[in-house]
Amino acid sequence: DTGVSQDPRHKITKRGQNVTFRCDPISEHNRLYWYRQTLGQGPEFLTYFQNEAQLEKSRLLSDRFSAERPKGSFSTLEIQRTEQGDSAMYLCASSFGRWGGYTFGSGTRLTVV
Amino acid sequence: GIQVEQSPPDLILQEGANSTLRCNFSDSVNNLQWFHQNPWGQLINLFYIPSGTKQNGRLSATTVATERYSLLYISSSQTTDSGVYFCAVERGIKAAGNKLTFGGGTRVLVKP
Repeated sequence: DTGVSQDPRHKITKRGQNVTFRCDPISEHNRLYWYRQTLGQGPEFLTYFQNEAQLEKSRLLSDRFSAERPKGSFSTLEIQRTEQGDSAMYLCASSFGRWGGYTFGSGTRLTVV
Repeated sequence: GIQVEQSPPDLILQEGANSTLRCNFSDSVNNLQWFHQNPWGQLINLFYIPSGTKQNGRLSATTVATERYSLLYISSSQTTDSGVYFCAVERGIKAAGNKLTFGGGTRVLVKP
């Protein structure tokens, strides 16, 4: 297993466009998390899946954001009608069970111009 | 929500020096992790340490859960230790949800 994979690594988009990111977790991990990190800050929680169920969403996740994890495998995070304030690094992590360590992917850096 | 404070915010070390990073948190936790974010942005899990002491090579960590702090020790620092070190915690109560709350990080620069 090569760890958590995220695609794409970088995305530049015009304001108002929709973007979708993909995360492939470690195969035996049942928990998957999305975080967002802006420059100079620590990562902030966005949403969490246990298997295919989305169990928690942050208030940071506005109506323009949607995440899915079909069949409890890979996950996608879509941002509709992007705004300049959405520019950030979007990080995916997975873990096995609630009290295990997290493994993060390399992230997708989004720039909205 | 839970507050996580890390100190110092910045640290400059000469190669070979030892250092201690601190993480204070405002409530009881059942999950505490230390991460290193390298200059390319990759977050690497260093320790899962809700209590006790662990060692991994030149790094070690101690969490005193009853006093709500954790320490990360770097010994014989190397230039590859440069980056940002984050402490992240999760509260142990169901109402708090399932998420790690990160501190602001300690930026470490190791000079050759």
